[in-house]
Amino acid sequence: NAGVTQTPKFQVLKTGQSMTLQCAQDMNHEYMSWYRQDPGMGLRLIHYSVGAGITDQGEVPNGYNVSRSTTEDFPLRLLSAAPSQTSVYFCASRRQGSTGELFFGEGSRLTVL
Amino acid sequence: SQQGEEDPQALSIQEGENATMNCSYKTSINNLQWYRQNSGRGLVHLILIRSNEREKHSGRLRVTLDTSKKSSSLLITASRAADTASYFCATAETSYDKVIFGPGTSLSVIP
Repeated sequence: NAGVTQTPKFQVLKTGQSMTLQCAQDMNHEYMSWYRQDPGMGLRLIHYSVGAGITDQGEVPNGYNVSRSTTEDFPLRLLSAAPSQTSVYFCASRRQGSTGELFFGEGSRLTVL
Repeated sequence: SQQGEEDPQALSIQEGENATMNCSYKTSINNLQWYRQNSGRGLVHLILIRSNEREKHSGRLRVTLDTSKKSSSLLITASRAADTASYFCATAETSYDKVIFGPGTSLSVIP
């Protein structure tokens, strides 16, 4: 099993450009989530989903959109990138329910110029 | 944010010593988890303790939870150079499926 796969691993954008960070998992996990990690601030939750067709906001949702059309995929869209969105983004999944470990991807490093 | 602080922010110890990291949180939780992150990698789950548990062990790891003080500690015994990493606590809210992380502790184990 591949686990949680994120693409791309690295991306450089110009301010105002749009892009989508892809996340796919092959563990049949209902729950998927996106975090951003900035120095000294740990991981902050952007959006999460408890199943196909269901998404909700986390701590820092502004500037990001998500959708969940399948159990396997949970893409994160930046419609108009800003320098403040320069960060490392992590996708994580787990079985549904409020217990259970999160499985993380290896991260996507985004730089917005 | 429901998450409080972790302390210390950074910890440097000699190989063989014990390392203790603390985590505080703000709201009622279902469980508390500890994760490890090696430089440039994703996070890896270490241990989970439920809100009705007070202590849990896994190998060289010992986690305690004090819900009255809304705090937890992670003890790594007999540390090794390979334990060098950042360690994060994360809490799962009782009402929602959000898992919120603290800022982490950077541990350096000197050979």
